[in-house]
Amino acid sequence: KQEVTQIPAALSVPEGENLVLNCSFTDSAIYNLQWFRQDPGKGLTSLLLIQSSQREQTSGRLNASLDKSSGRSTLYIAASQPGDSATYLCAAQGGKLIFGQGTELSVKP
Amino acid sequence: GAGVSQSPRYKVAKRGQDVALRCDPISGHVSLFWYQQALGQGPEFLTYFQNEAQLDKSGLPSDRFFAERPEGSVSTLKIQRTQQEDSAVYLCASSLSGRLYNSPLHFGNGTRLTVT
Repeated sequence: KQEVTQIPAALSVPEGENLVLNCSFTDSAIYNLQWFRQDPGKGLTSLLLIQSSQREQTSGRLNASLDKSSGRSTLYIAASQPGDSATYLCAAQGGKLIFGQGTELSVKP
Repeated sequence: GAGVSQSPRYKVAKRGQDVALRCDPISGHVSLFWYQQALGQGPEFLTYFQNEAQLDKSGLPSDRFFAERPEGSVSTLKIQRTQQEDSAVYLCASSLSGRLYNSPLHFGNGTRLTVT
């Protein structure tokens, strides 16, 4: 059974810092690994989708990497801004999408 | 708007009442998913439709939960005889492709259900 874990559960950084969010999964037989953002009281917004054959994906200040063999993915956020404050969720897709519990990020001005 | 729409936005039900939650996916999207999200947790899979066919309902927590998508577009999640542990946000998501592995999911804002 797939289990997805995210570390840390919460993170507070000053504006401008580069930061890394970690995601690990137990079953490497996945189609893809996805990162989402969730603002309070809102649904999820898809950020990046990494196919199982890919190593990384980039979108603006976001870069996500995938190491299937070790069951790990990281989300790198460059030059963080207060508007980046949200909960970030990773999800591993085998037959279904299994989510981690999320990392709550706060970027202080 | 062109996004996934869910209604109602909030629902308060007395224990034992039946509720129905609606999801309007993005037009033309083949796949539709329901997730349950408890406070402070990640979403948990409930069920999956490809067009009108319910291909996976393994996440439905009990036989009180029932989902349908009769015409392959709008979906309804029904919960009978609600219990306090059903209190959560119910999220609907759709994707363009019937192939799960290469199509990003688009989520609605969810319905927050509170059972008193």
